[in-house]
Amino acid sequence: EAGVTQSPTHLIKTRGQQATLRCSPISGHTSVYWYQQALGLGLQFLLWYDEGEERNRGNFPPRFSGRQFPNYSSELNVNALELEDSALYLCASSQGLARTFTDTQYFGPGTRLTVL
Amino acid sequence: RKEVEQDPGPFNVPEGATVAFNCTYSNSASQSFFWYRQDCRKEPKLLMSVYSSGNEDGRFTAQLNRASQYISLLIRDSKLSDSATYLCVVNPEAAGNKLTFGGGTRVLVKP
Repeated sequence: EAGVTQSPTHLIKTRGQQATLRCSPISGHTSVYWYQQALGLGLQFLLWYDEGEERNRGNFPPRFSGRQFPNYSSELNVNALELEDSALYLCASSQGLARTFTDTQYFGPGTRLTVL
Repeated sequence: RKEVEQDPGPFNVPEGATVAFNCTYSNSASQSFFWYRQDCRKEPKLLMSVYSSGNEDGRFTAQLNRASQYISLLIRDSKLSDSATYLCVVNPEAAGNKLTFGGGTRVLVKP
């Protein structure tokens, strides 16, 4: 069974540009989560989507946004890129709201975004 | 105070030895707890969920102490391949699924 996949693996942008990152969840999973892991920092929760709707959001500015498609894949958009947005962006998926709070998240390999 | 705190290490462990480390969390209403393992520049991988009664998976044992708000991970008979960063993860919300990660504890197993 395929795991969580993300594309692209690496992305290089310049300050002020927009970045789009994509994620495909494990088959059968309806929830997708986005996390940021900046160098030397821990994973920070960005967004949670389930059944096409945004369910929760971390402490990030509005220029971080996303969406979830009917096939449960998701994309993360970062507008007006800043140098400090350079990080590994990890997507995770889980079985979703149908489960209890013990729902387990499985991570993809990440997209490494570099802002120059 | 951070929501989830871990000793960053590194814990230098001789091969075959036992190592244990803790993680503390601040939200007493936290509902679920996990240990993830992250290798350098790789994604986190679930090591084990942590249950109230404690649980064991091979050489790995996890314990939860709700009264003192910490969870622990013990690794027995350490292997070189156990070298990694171990992330303590807490879901502080009953239905939020907003995982909060500790900064990780680095473990280096040496021959």
